[in-house]
Amino acid sequence: AQTVTQSQPEMSVQEAETVTLSCTYDTSENNYYLFWYKQPPSRQMILVIRQEAYKQQNATENRFSVNFQKAAKSFSLKISDSQLGDTAMYFCAFGNDYKLSFGAGTTVTVRA
Amino acid sequence: GAVVSQHPSWVICKSGTSVKIECRSLDFQATTMFWYRQFPKQSLMLMATSNEGSKATYEQGVEKDKFLINHASLTLSTLTVTSAHPEDSSFYICSAIDISYNEQFFGPGTRLTVL
Repeated sequence: AQTVTQSQPEMSVQEAETVTLSCTYDTSENNYYLFWYKQPPSRQMILVIRQEAYKQQNATENRFSVNFQKAAKSFSLKISDSQLGDTAMYFCAFGNDYKLSFGAGTTVTVRA
Repeated sequence: GAVVSQHPSWVICKSGTSVKIECRSLDFQATTMFWYRQFPKQSLMLMATSNEGSKATYEQGVEKDKFLINHASLTLSTLTVTSAHPEDSSFYICSAIDISYNEQFFGPGTRLTVL
């Protein structure tokens, strides 16, 4: 079974600044996907970014980027130029054959 | 992106009754859907994999007789909580796989409160 660990229950960041969320995972699989999902107060799960394990290049989506260290089993998310709309709970997830294992989540609050 | 709906968005029921939650893929066909459960301020826990035309696959510790899953068509999966008790109160979220996007899309969730 895969385990996903997010060690930061809460993070606070000033608007326009950068925040980095950490995530580590444990697996014996070689081919898998890693995800960051955002869950705002509406509770709708929104995909932020996805990384294929076989790709060495770190994924980037506009202000969101990841630092994927496969050997260390680490997958951190950097949110640049934080906006008030980024306030949400962020979940790191491990995916294999579409089945997802989620971390405990990090609540991010962006301060005006 | 693709849209997944859930109905109802919230439901309150009495202890001992059964409740059915629907998950629909609105603009794509989904042979595989998943059901998750989320307690307040906690993570999502995968309950089961719903496969069109076959029996659902349940995760360890999930009672299959308690949480009945039916995936009778390529756009609809249902989760029935049988003989609900207060401890079944939770937020239930479904997701559906859109093969054309190679992506999983989530429904908006259903809040179940059992009195």
